[in-house]
Amino acid sequence: DTGVSQNPRHKITKRGQNVTFRCDPISEHNRLYWYRQTLGQGPEFLTYFQNEAQLEKSRLLSDRFSAERPKGSFSTLEIQRTEQGDSAMYLCASSLRMGNPGNTIYFGEGSWLTVV
Amino acid sequence: AQRVTQPEKLLSVFKGAPVELKCNYSYSGSPELFWYVQYSRQRLQLLLRHISRESIKGFTADLNKGETSFHLKKPFAQEEDSAMYYCALSHSGAGSYQLTFGKGTKLSVIP
Repeated sequence: DTGVSQNPRHKITKRGQNVTFRCDPISEHNRLYWYRQTLGQGPEFLTYFQNEAQLEKSRLLSDRFSAERPKGSFSTLEIQRTEQGDSAMYLCASSLRMGNPGNTIYFGEGSWLTVV
Repeated sequence: AQRVTQPEKLLSVFKGAPVELKCNYSYSGSPELFWYVQYSRQRLQLLLRHISRESIKGFTADLNKGETSFHLKKPFAQEEDSAMYYCALSHSGAGSYQLTFGKGTKLSVIP
């Protein structure tokens, strides 16, 4: 499967600990997105990169959250001092940069975070 | 602010019956609308987008700007259509590339 890859797939952590998720996009895709999904909700946008530049951040992305995409390839999403409210599925997605903004966004399988 | 509303959390239909999954949106600009589907144990994937005006797996969706709706329709439901369906709106016209999703509708096709 050469789609978007995320790891770890599941993470259980104690409140107050830091966690980091990694996303490997489809190789030729230069746009990368992070979304969060909680039970009974649709995915919610967190942030977006074009190559290595982080161009957009949601207000959902508090200062405990940081995302990077060094060299414009893989990306990491770190959550510091986790809280129980951070428990969710974290989805990564990628797409090509095309003239048409309606290009297909491909999602990964997600990383489940449970904060206990 | 942009918003996507899917009024039904669960929709059950018999195999062979018509299906309509409702989606209404709120957006001041010119929206791009999408339907995403998530089959059991699979990742979220694009089903169709309004700008393509295509039919995928027998599904169609027409953007109605007057009613601000983008309902997903299929004339004859199949068991393999059972899945979670999300309507989404892109604000790319405003220079943003984020998608706003609805809460989703679970479609269950009864054999």
